[in-house]
Amino acid sequence: EPEVTQTPSHQVTQMGQEVILRCVPISNHLYFYWYRQILGQKVEFLVSFYNNEISEKSEIFDDQFSVERPDGSNFTLKIRSTKLEDSAMYFCALVGGAAKGGRRDRYFGPGTRLTVL
Amino acid sequence: SQQGEEDPQALSIQEGENATMNCSYKTSINNLQWYRQNSGRGLVHLILIRSNEREKHSGRLRVTLDTSKKSSSLLITASRAADTASYFCATASFRAGGTSYGKLTFGQGTILTVHP
Repeated sequence: EPEVTQTPSHQVTQMGQEVILRCVPISNHLYFYWYRQILGQKVEFLVSFYNNEISEKSEIFDDQFSVERPDGSNFTLKIRSTKLEDSAMYFCALVGGAAKGGRRDRYFGPGTRLTVL
Repeated sequence: SQQGEEDPQALSIQEGENATMNCSYKTSINNLQWYRQNSGRGLVHLILIRSNEREKHSGRLRVTLDTSKKSSSLLITASRAADTASYFCATASFRAGGTSYGKLTFGQGTILTVHP
């Protein structure tokens, strides 16, 4: 069973619309991240979230982006007004759960493919 | 500057052969990780090597790390058609006062094709 799932698997939206991408961890996790991968390019860090607040963000993560963990479980990424260049795969990543040998594993979700038209 | 650059960009081999992929980076790191990504799918963590380690094995995978050259290599021995995927290295660096699970910086990846 995967440690993390993401919904939706594919989202198509019109430019200027708001989208919310969800990350659903299976068990308790401590650190949450969002990454994106534009088609054919490398995976880029967007933001990390720890103890219910942003701990680090990249220059990509501007005012159009926000993250929250509203119900203490799901971790969401909101894009307020989507642009064409936001089209990408968005990956949630988690660290936490049971430590193994003093180290916790990092898991990536399967991704949400966002297409902005 | 680019962190975590892999070469070659594409590698095509026959089943049973070994595949070697290289990764170079520019800044100091805490650890370096390798991930696999099947076409259009998520990232699967393969192996992590810490900055104080030089070599690590996991099944058919062997990773080396040379911090003096800021480079790493991933060797897949006795490759299989199922190993066909993109392989990414990712570096993790601690920020001053930051957590020990900071962001990962990924390279462009190597596309590996293993022909049956």
